[in-house]
Amino acid sequence: QLQLQESGPGLVKPSETLSLTCTVSGGSISSSLYYWGWMRQPPGKGLEWIGSISYSGSTYSNPSLKGRVTISLDTSKNQFSLKLSSVTAADTAVYYCARQKSGSYYSPFDYWGQGTLVTVSS
Amino acid sequence: SYVLTQPPSVSVAPGQTTSIACGGNNIGSKSVHWYQQKPGQAPVLVVYDDSDRPSGIPERFSGSNSGNTATLTISRVEAGDEADYYCQVWDSSSDHWVFGGGTKLTVL
Repeated sequence: QLQLQESGPGLVKPSETLSLTCTVSGGSISSSLYYWGWMRQPPGKGLEWIGSISYSGSTYSNPSLKGRVTISLDTSKNQFSLKLSSVTAADTAVYYCARQKSGSYYSPFDYWGQGTLVTVSS
Repeated sequence: SYVLTQPPSVSVAPGQTTSIACGGNNIGSKSVHWYQQKPGQAPVLVVYDDSDRPSGIPERFSGSNSGNTATLTISRVEAGDEADYYCQVWDSSSDHWVFGGGTKLTVL
């Protein structure tokens, strides 16, 4: 059974960089069968896609985040990571990592981590 | 950018059938995916590619998509179906995923 687990600091200061890691178990992130992505959900609000990465390391991200997003793979650890720079209070949210169910960037997300709350505050 | 519009809330009695709409410009030309999210939990994919169900999702969940509206239909609603439901599409014009604002389903 595939499992994803987010990890990282729960509190980040304004203007700093938010860094999260998603550890995948029960499957390989280097499989060409899947893409991997990050979503977030501000408290009491809806879902927002942040970005995704392919098995080969190609990335694409939400234009609304204006180039603040970096997503990378670490195949040796079976992990992928998110960095969001220049954070503000508006970036406070539960962050989810997830798997896209096939090897195309437009396939839906079929496995999700439990989510981790990141608060941006001084 | 592409916008998906959902009703904020829908209510239904147990055992009845309910539908949740997701509106978008010519959404019928796109593949629509639906997620269920219960309080404090991660979203779960319940319908993908307009009308397909992942394994383990009951047949009570079905979907359709035509024109400017996609619809998630839940038949024989159970108390456990109470959740927020989100539609999602890939916006190929700007290469990014778009979610609807979500619909809170209340089982009376």
